[in-house]
Amino acid sequence: GIQVEQSPPDLILQEGANSTLRCNFSDSVNNLQWFHQNPWGQLINLFYIPSGTKQNGRLSATTVATERYSLLYISSSQTTDSGVYFCAVPRLNTGFQKLVFGTGTRLLVSP
Amino acid sequence: GAVVSQHPSRVICKSGTSVKIECRSLDFQATTMFWYRQFPKQSLMLMATSNEGSKATYEQGVEKDKFLINHASLTLSTLTVTSAHPEDSSFYICSASPVGLVETQYFGPGTRLLVL
Repeated sequence: GIQVEQSPPDLILQEGANSTLRCNFSDSVNNLQWFHQNPWGQLINLFYIPSGTKQNGRLSATTVATERYSLLYISSSQTTDSGVYFCAVPRLNTGFQKLVFGTGTRLLVSP
Repeated sequence: GAVVSQHPSRVICKSGTSVKIECRSLDFQATTMFWYRQFPKQSLMLMATSNEGSKATYEQGVEKDKFLINHASLTLSTLTVTSAHPEDSSFYICSASPVGLVETQYFGPGTRLLVL
């Protein structure tokens, strides 16, 4: 099946710093999502981004589907950005969206 | 809008007992609901997919007799961990896809299960 790897696995930032998280996937995909899992475990969808670039406030994401990777940019990080960031892609040939989650990047933003 | 709830949020049980976890879509109807399991500091792994009124589809390696799933209505799916053992301790998360929006999943807040 499709493999989804994320890097770095852990990241510690000072408040205000910028960061780039990477998601590599092993096969063609028709969609890709980025999620933030807060320290209490709640998953929040950040982006649906099968290709191109999207921005939402301090966050932006770029997917280069032909090269099988996606990037999540966090600018001017805040302590509330702490948590785990996952990318997820749908398994191919499934009638609905059976998601394969990446390995995750654990982010800690210190004041 | 698009809120998914889970109950209980955390549960502690003795080994050998059964535990039921409820997943509800509060303000939309969900044709399909998904159950995930997440071990500490690991990623989410899909356990099973349930459709209202039909049998759940389990992922490879997930025992259907141990993890009973019932999707009785368009707003409720339940996961029952039967004869729980300490290795079943985990964070269980459900998600729901609204009718007509198969590419969208809204996630519940998760249930922490600790089996002693």
